[in-house]
Amino acid sequence: EVQLVQSGAEVKKPGESLKISCKGSGYSRSSYWIGWVRQMPGKGLEWMGDIYLSDSDTRYSPSFQGQVTISADKSTNSAHLQWSSLKASDTAMYWCARQEAGSDVFDVWGQGTMVIVSA
Amino acid sequence: QSALTQPASLSGFPGQSITISCTGTSSDIGSYNLVSWYQQHPGKPPKFIFFEGRERPSGVSNRFSASKSGNTASLTISGLQADDEADYYCFSYAGSNTFVFGGGTTVAVL
Repeated sequence: EVQLVQSGAEVKKPGESLKISCKGSGYSRSSYWIGWVRQMPGKGLEWMGDIYLSDSDTRYSPSFQGQVTISADKSTNSAHLQWSSLKASDTAMYWCARQEAGSDVFDVWGQGTMVIVSA
Repeated sequence: QSALTQPASLSGFPGQSITISCTGTSSDIGSYNLVSWYQQHPGKPPKFIFFEGRERPSGVSNRFSASKSGNTASLTISGLQADDEADYYCFSYAGSNTFVFGGGTTVAVL
């Protein structure tokens, strides 16, 4: 079964760092990107960026470039999303999803990681 | 990079058809045939439901169809059912290795 499993919910303080993960299984990492999508409370989906696990090529939304870092670990078929200094406005649900190369369809989604940033 | 424009909400009676529009620009939807559609029920991950030219995912009804004309893509739900009540998002390549979602449409079944 193809699945993406994300790391658990996080509660952090402003200024703290954080790295969340998304581990894929049941498929070959070639031909797929792993994308990250933010969903703030009660709001819509926002594409943050993605990474090609085979060679760690990354693409970022201009809105998130410089605000987060996307990385990958080929050995574990995992992608990561990290912040060096969290803000309250980073409070959101973060979804990872498998993005098919070529069509760029998000065909498999993780269960989501809720990040709460509060003093 | 602005979100693609979708109506905030739409509603219909069971059995009716509704069409959700997704308007972009000549830099995204108008230039590429790379629009996909997603359904999201409350508290759940989004679910891929349609991409032109690709077989519908297993479990997705053939009541969902989509098209594109110029800078606007559209998703039609035929024979509206109670379980169709959800949020719907379009997603498109926007050039320069970037992508953009629509703002989302909440569909209510009356």
